[in-house]
Amino acid sequence: DIQMTQSPSSLSASVGDRVTITCRASQVITNSLVWYQQKPGKAPKLLLYATSRLESGVPFRFSGRGSGTDYTLTISSLQPEDFATYYCQQYYSIPPTFGQGTKVEIK
Amino acid sequence: EVQLVESGGGLVQPGGSLRLSCAASGFTYTYYWMSWVRQAPGKGLEWVANIHQDGTEKYYVDSVKGRFTISRDNAKNSLYLQMNSLRAEDTAVYYCARLEVGGNPLFDNWGQGTLVTVSS
Repeated sequence: DIQMTQSPSSLSASVGDRVTITCRASQVITNSLVWYQQKPGKAPKLLLYATSRLESGVPFRFSGRGSGTDYTLTISSLQPEDFATYYCQQYYSIPPTFGQGTKVEIK
Repeated sequence: EVQLVESGGGLVQPGGSLRLSCAASGFTYTYYWMSWVRQAPGKGLEWVANIHQDGTEKYYVDSVKGRFTISRDNAKNSLYLQMNSLRAEDTAVYYCARLEVGGNPLFDNWGQGTLVTVSS
C-alpha cells in the first residue's frame, strides 16, 4: 500500500496568511493526488484533483502543485471559512490511501 | 443536485452484524462506481470498499475482507454495506461516496455519514 504523510499535522494561522500543506507519498504517484477539506461534523469536500485541478466552485485562492512523490496545497490568503482539516489522498493504486490530515486553526 | 443519504448505523455488540444503506439521487447512478469510506472518532479517513457500476467488480481494504460485503441495487439507486463479525476497531462514521465519472478512486461527492459503534 502507498503511505501518505502530511505535514504539518496542525498549524495556526491568521486571516490573510498564506498557508502551505505538504503531502509525501511512499512511492511515485504520477500526479494522482487529491485534496479534501473537512469541517467538524461534516463530510469531506473535494477541493483539487490531479494535483492541481480545482473542483467546480472551489475558490481560486486554493492551489496545488507537485510531482513524483511530493505535493503541496496552498491557500494564498486564508479566509475565516478555511479553518478546517485538510486531507490528501492518492488514487494511483488500490487501496486509495489518505494522509493523516492537517488541522488549520485560528491564531 | 447530487444527494447521498446513509442510514442503518447504530450500536452493535462485538461479533454482531449491521447493514448500512445509501440512497443516491440527483445523478445517473448507473454511470458511477460507488464506495464506502470510514472515519474513526477523532481520526483520519480510511477507504473501505468500492463497487463497479454493474456490481461485478468489488474491492476491499484488507482489514474488512471476508467480513464486509459491498453491494448495490441499481433499480433502487441504492448502495449497501453488509458488516459481519464486527470489532471495536470498526467503530467509525461510515460515508457513502461517489467516485469520479472516469472511475478513478477519488471521491467527488459524499453523504453526511452514519455512525457505527461496536461495543459491549
